[in-house]
Amino acid sequence: KAGVTQTPRYLIKTRGQQVTLSCSPISGHRSVSWYQQTPGQGLQFLFEYFSETQRNKGNFPGRFSGRQFSNSRSEMNVSTLELGDSALYLCASSLAGHSYEQYFGPGTRLTVT
Amino acid sequence: LAKTTQPISMDSYEGQEVNITCSHNNIATNDYITWYQQFPSQGPRFIIQGYKTKVTNEVASLFIPADRKSSTLSLPRVSLSDTAVYYCLVALSGGYQKVTFGTGTKLQVIP
Repeated sequence: KAGVTQTPRYLIKTRGQQVTLSCSPISGHRSVSWYQQTPGQGLQFLFEYFSETQRNKGNFPGRFSGRQFSNSRSEMNVSTLELGDSALYLCASSLAGHSYEQYFGPGTRLTVT
Repeated sequence: LAKTTQPISMDSYEGQEVNITCSHNNIATNDYITWYQQFPSQGPRFIIQGYKTKVTNEVASLFIPADRKSSTLSLPRVSLSDTAVYYCLVALSGGYQKVTFGTGTKLQVIP
């Protein structure tokens, strides 16, 4: 069974730009969660989608948004990028949510200059 | 703001048992406690999950006291390949479930 895939793997953007990251979950998984990982703040929860609905969200500004499609694939968007948005963005899929075993993708490394 | 805390780092010799504790004194009453392992340049990998008392699988055990304000991951007979960062994941109570990773414990296994 194919694992969680994330595209792109690496991205360099300039302050003020926006970015869209993509996540394809494991086949059959209906829940997708997004996390931000930085050396200073560690792993932080962004949001969780289940069957195209945002079911949970973390404490991030409205510049961070996401969506999930009918095939469970998910995208997250960050608008008006700031230097502090530089991070590894991880996507995880599971059968039904964060309380279930989550399978993580390799992440997208975003650098904002 | 309630936090989920772990020791920053631990060293252990090969073959020893390692216990890593996570403190989550504001855990949501209906949520599970999950532990993940992360190697450099990889996403976290599921180790074990439990709700209360003790859970054991082929790689680890998880001990959860009755008040569920902490949990302890136990790795029996660690090997060099267990060198990694270990995280607990819980949801904290209050409004939206606050899904929270612990601060992470870097385990260094010494030959």
